[in-house]
Amino acid sequence: RKEVEQDPGPFNVPEGATVAFNCTYSNSASQSFFWYRQDCRKEPKLLMSVYSSGNEDGRFTAQLNRASQYISLLIRDSKLSDSATYLCVVLSGGSYIPTFGRGTSLIVHP
Amino acid sequence: DVKVTQSSRYLVKRTGEKVFLECVQDMDHENMFWYRQDPGLGLRLIYFSYDVKMKEKGDIPEGYSVSREKKERFSLILESASTNQTSMYLCASRPGQGYTEAFFGQGTRLTVV
Repeated sequence: RKEVEQDPGPFNVPEGATVAFNCTYSNSASQSFFWYRQDCRKEPKLLMSVYSSGNEDGRFTAQLNRASQYISLLIRDSKLSDSATYLCVVLSGGSYIPTFGRGTSLIVHP
Repeated sequence: DVKVTQSSRYLVKRTGEKVFLECVQDMDHENMFWYRQDPGLGLRLIYFSYDVKMKEKGDIPEGYSVSREKKERFSLILESASTNQTSMYLCASRPGQGYTEAFFGQGTRLTVV
C-alpha cells in the first residue's frame, strides 16, 4: 500500500464549480501536511500548508483529519487557471522526508 | 526567496554514459532530495542527504549514486545511463529542523537514447 494515496482523476469541471480532493496517508506518526500545485512540465510549488484546525486561503480551503488520516483540499469558484495537478505531501520520519501522492489532475473548462 | 537551481533543464545522453545532475540551493538547508517523476507513478525518492557527506537511500536508489561535498550542492550520478532512466528529475531542499515545506528546482528532463 502506498504511503500517500490520491484519486488521480482527472476532475473535469466547469468554471465556477466547487471541487474537492481527498488524500489519505498511512503513517499515523506523520507530522506535517501540504498541498502542492504542479503545472505541466514544471516543478511542484507549494499551494498551502494544512493545519489541524483547518485553514483557508482565498478560494482554497484545506482540512486535516488525523483520526481518519486524511487531508482534503476544497477549491471554490474554479478558474481556468486552476487547471493543474494537485499533489498531497506528507512529512514523515526522523528526517522529515516529503512523501508525495501521485497527484490529482484538475481540468477547468469554460 | 529560496532558490533551488538545477544545472540543466533538458539533457539527452547515450546508453552507458555516466551522467551528472547538479543541484544548488541558496538557503543553507540541511536536507536535500532527489526525486524522479514518471507518468502514473508520481514523485519517487531516489536519495536524500541530511548533511554534508551524509546520504541515505530512498525508495529507488538502484542505478544511481549521490554526492554532497558542500552543503549547498547535491549531485545525482547515473553510473551507466539506461533507457529506463529517461525521466523528469527533481531536486528539493528543506531545513533540517521544523515542519516547513520543501522547495523544488525547475527539474531536469533526461532522455537516454
